[in-house]
Amino acid sequence: GENVEQHPSTLSVQEGDSAVIKCTYSDSASNYFPWYKQELGKGPQLIIDIRSNVGEKKDQRIAVTLNKTAKHFSLHITETQPEDSAVYFCAASKGSGAGSYQLTFGKGTKLSVIP
Amino acid sequence: GAVVSQHPSRVICKSGTSVKIECRSLDFQATTMFWYRQFPKQSLMLMATSNEGSKATYEQGVEKDKFLINHASLTLSTLTVTSAHPEDSSFYICSASGRGHTEAFFGQGTRLTVV
Repeated sequence: GENVEQHPSTLSVQEGDSAVIKCTYSDSASNYFPWYKQELGKGPQLIIDIRSNVGEKKDQRIAVTLNKTAKHFSLHITETQPEDSAVYFCAASKGSGAGSYQLTFGKGTKLSVIP
Repeated sequence: GAVVSQHPSRVICKSGTSVKIECRSLDFQATTMFWYRQFPKQSLMLMATSNEGSKATYEQGVEKDKFLINHASLTLSTLTVTSAHPEDSSFYICSASGRGHTEAFFGQGTRLTVV
């Protein structure tokens, strides 16, 4: 089955700096790679996703890059703010678009943005 | 985006009793629902996948007789933890997706504490 590795497990950055979280996956058939933000006691919230036919996607301060050959993808957060502090999870799936998004998650990265 | 509602958000039960957690898709028909379990400071681990009208598919190591999943309608799936023990205490999260969706939508999670 799919195996997703995520690094680092913890990350502290100064407010305004950038944060980068990296993930690798093992199953070359995976084609959908979402990133989730989870705050304490809440369910995961999708912040950005990318599909295997795209190399990069950006949404304001958040961007994700995908290297299919190397089987790794990264989350980039620029101009970090204290409210970005949370646990971030990457995931991989062979999403079919038919409603079947069985996700394999990385172990998570606890991001702390220091004011 | 689509809304998935999970209830209750917190529940405390006595050891040996059963507890039911509901997952509802409020504004779409969920052809597939997923149940995850998350221990403190750990990642989400898929427990089972359920498709409307059919039996759930459980991941290896998950006891189907202990974690009963029912997906009787296109808007409701339930997870019943039977004969709960303290080691079943965890954060349980559901997600759902429907035809045409390009992502899975997560509920808010249920914190189960077995005393």
